Amino acid sequence: AQSVTQPDIHITVSEGASLELRCNYSYGATPYLFWYVQSPGQGLQLLLKYFSGDTLVQGIKGFEAEFKRSQSSFNLRKPSVHWSDAAEYFCAVLRSSGGGADGLTFGKGTHLIIQP
Amino acid sequence: GAGVSQSPRYKVAKRGQDVALRCDPISGHVSLFWYQQALGQGPEFLTYFQNEAQLDKSGLPSDRFFAERPEGSVSTLKIQRTQQEDSAVYLCASRTGLSPPDTQYFGPGTRLTVL
Repeated sequence: AQSVTQPDIHITVSEGASLELRCNYSYGATPYLFWYVQSPGQGLQLLLKYFSGDTLVQGIKGFEAEFKRSQSSFNLRKPSVHWSDAAEYFCAVLRSSGGGADGLTFGKGTHLIIQP
Repeated sequence: GAGVSQSPRYKVAKRGQDVALRCDPISGHVSLFWYQQALGQGPEFLTYFQNEAQLDKSGLPSDRFFAERPEGSVSTLKIQRTQQEDSAVYLCASRTGLSPPDTQYFGPGTRLTVL
């Protein structure tokens, strides 16, 4: 069965510094991968997604992610974080890309703290 | 346009009570999903519908959980005889149903607390 691992439970970054959040997946076929952000009291908002093609995908709010099949990774990056980026970040994989099961399998999330 | 809405936003139930949680998907969205998010965890898949058909309910944790979408639009997640371990945020999401799968849009969730 597919799974998603986010190794870092908490990450603290200074405002203006660069950010990388790690995500590893386990999936037999070509995965459909997503990054979502969840702010307190807010619903999940899609940052970006990878289905196929260019392995470097651009998202909203200045985020990007790179799909690396050899490392089974889909890490999220941002060159300069803002205080408003403080939130919970979730990596997810589509449960099946072959037309079978639908829905998402999420990682446990990474809590991002921004230091002034 | 309006996003996914859920009601109530907060629900407190005494152990053993039945609860019903409502989801209004984005108009025209064919696929609808329910997830359970325990405190400090990522959302976990419960079930999904394509129109009125419940195609997968493998994530429902017990037979106390039941979901329906009788007219292919609004969906209700019902939990019978609630237990403390049912305390969580219940998220609903919808998408167009196109293939390959496109973006799932999430509602704000219903926070259920079972005392």
